Amino acid sequence: EAGVAQSPRYKIIEKRQSVAFWCNPISGHATLYWYQQILGQGPKLLIQFQNNGVVDDSQLPKDRFSAERLKGVDSTLKIQPAKLEDSAVYLCASSLGPGTADYGYTFGSGTRLTVV
Amino acid sequence: DAKTTQPTSMDCAEGRAANLPCNHSTISGNEYVYWYRQIHSQGPQYIIHGLKNNETNEMASLIITEDRKSSTLILPHATLRDTAVYYCIVRGAGGTSYGKLTFGQGTILTVHP
Repeated sequence: EAGVAQSPRYKIIEKRQSVAFWCNPISGHATLYWYQQILGQGPKLLIQFQNNGVVDDSQLPKDRFSAERLKGVDSTLKIQPAKLEDSAVYLCASSLGPGTADYGYTFGSGTRLTVV
Repeated sequence: DAKTTQPTSMDCAEGRAANLPCNHSTISGNEYVYWYRQIHSQGPQYIIHGLKNNETNEMASLIITEDRKSSTLILPHATLRDTAVYYCIVRGAGGTSYGKLTFGQGTILTVHP
């Protein structure tokens, strides 16, 4: 089974620039998550999709962050404009969804963003 | 979501069992306990999960106390490759928390030769 694919692996941008991250979940996984992990901390959930609909985006800084999941498969997370404090690893995860017996997430390797 | 408390760091000798404790005293009856680990520069990796009964798989064993207020992850024969941050998570069971995994700080396990 192919894992969760993310790109790019690394990205360095200047503050106030924009950036986009891409995620391709495991085939058949209905639920997709974006997490932000700041150095030394555990991952923090930004947004959860069920198919192509948003289930929870309460932790997403909507003034600068946006995410979409067209056709219920791939997803993109965008930051515009970036701030220094956005420097972090952005992790994408997918799962079969609530109600399934073995309800675990599979994470991608993440995109490490450095804002300078 | 029920909160979890884990030690910040632990050490273990290679070949010995690593026992990682977790307290989750506010867990509700239908919430699962999940364990993930994160090796440097990788995404978190699923290890094991359980509800009431003890569980074992090829990676680890999970011991949950009868009152479900705490659990222990056991790596029976730790290797250097088990050095990682280990997260104990209570999975949300209802409302907007349904199915969510909320990560804490985790335990940094260092396995020594």
